[in-house]
Amino acid sequence: DAKTTQPNSMESNEEEPVHLPCNHSTISGTDYIHWYRQLPSQGPEYVIHGLTSNVNNRMASLAIAEDRKSSTLILHRATLRDAAVYYCILRASGTYKYIFGTGTRLKVLA
Amino acid sequence: DAGVIQSPRHEVTEMGQEVTLRCKPISGHDYLFWYRQTMMRGLELLIYFNNNVPIDDSGMPEDRFSAKMPNASFSTLKIQPSEPRDSAVYFCASSLPLIGKNIQYFGAGTRLSVL
Repeated sequence: DAKTTQPNSMESNEEEPVHLPCNHSTISGTDYIHWYRQLPSQGPEYVIHGLTSNVNNRMASLAIAEDRKSSTLILHRATLRDAAVYYCILRASGTYKYIFGTGTRLKVLA
Repeated sequence: DAGVIQSPRHEVTEMGQEVTLRCKPISGHDYLFWYRQTMMRGLELLIYFNNNVPIDDSGMPEDRFSAKMPNASFSTLKIQPSEPRDSAVYFCASSLPLIGKNIQYFGAGTRLSVL
């Protein structure tokens, strides 16, 4: 299974953009890139996912490098509610199996 | 929709006792997943089902753990006998069979403490 590498923690000021990086140098051509986040004392929740092209939704944007060996989750304006652990996950096409890494703990400062 | 419902939310038991965790997936979801989360090992997939049939149980730690899905709206994860190292938060998740847009919806989890 391809692995992901993320920084252990990051800090951001409230209402500023946040860029959360993820390296996945062993990604295969058909692996999807998923991002989930886990708020304190809750289960993980879906944020966004993509395959090759950049993606936007109401929660965030996902920028995928041209060689797909890295990606960045972008929160356009961080709020205190965005403080969570963010997981970057690779999912092989044809499977429903997620391999969670250690994630990035995002702290948002008021 | 109420989302994925897990019960109980907290369980405290003594070593050697049987523990049963329960999960009700979102109606219409064909896939159901059981995860375990600990500080040491993070989030681990234990087993997942498709249409009530176990597809991959390679993450089940040992024979003390068993999971069943008797129907589309109910699943159980059983530990017998329980040990202190089984203490963790256990999550259930469900998803639709949309391979290109697979989103897993997680329950709130069951926090298990084995004394």
